[in-house]
Amino acid sequence: GAGVSQSPSNKVTEKGKDVELRCDPISGHTALYWYRQSLGQGLEFLIYFQGNSAPDKSGLPSDRFSAERTGGSVSTLTIQRTQQEDSAVYLCASSLGGQGFWNYGYTFGSGTRLTVV
Amino acid sequence: LAKTTQPISMDSYEGQEVNITCSHNNIATNDYITWYQQFPSQGPRFIIQGYKTKVTNEVASLFIPADRKSSTLSLPRVSLSDTAVYYCLVGLNTGGFKTIFGAGTRLFVKA
Repeated sequence: GAGVSQSPSNKVTEKGKDVELRCDPISGHTALYWYRQSLGQGLEFLIYFQGNSAPDKSGLPSDRFSAERTGGSVSTLTIQRTQQEDSAVYLCASSLGGQGFWNYGYTFGSGTRLTVV
Repeated sequence: LAKTTQPISMDSYEGQEVNITCSHNNIATNDYITWYQQFPSQGPRFIIQGYKTKVTNEVASLFIPADRKSSTLSLPRVSLSDTAVYYCLVGLNTGGFKTIFGAGTRLFVKA
């Protein structure tokens, strides 16, 4: 697609429920990133996928958070047993990756606003 | 991972040039410097990226001194629509930006 697409744009869930957030990266982008942004705060790195390599999960805040990327394209971020502190905007980004493409930077989606009540 | 420090907020008037400086004392040899712009309810948008000296595109200029321990984003003749949060990131091109973006600099442009 023309840009990074995320769905849903807004999600309200009850505490303790599981949620799945979806990210469709730009076609051809091998690298995909998930970030979290709490109200008025900067972006917090969560997880990074690069091609077929094992993902870098070093930013995931707890084992309730997981993510997968199927076929090197679409990614799903899953939060199990949601807590109120999980409320934030979850942003996905993709990039061409690899040497020589740094001029293009990273393209972000519009995010999913998650509210845990 | 290089930590960055930026002013929390800045005010300006339409038509003025705005310079936002970012400090990154622990920048590594392979790190690039990238600036993003974020409007409310939107994801950050890439503005400019550089490694050293000066980089200019149709939106902004990026000045990086020889020691690379700081960088300055320059926005020429800002307009009301430039009101946004500006983030400075330092990291590896291919390694992904694991650095916490931080709160960025909130630029408010007045008429």
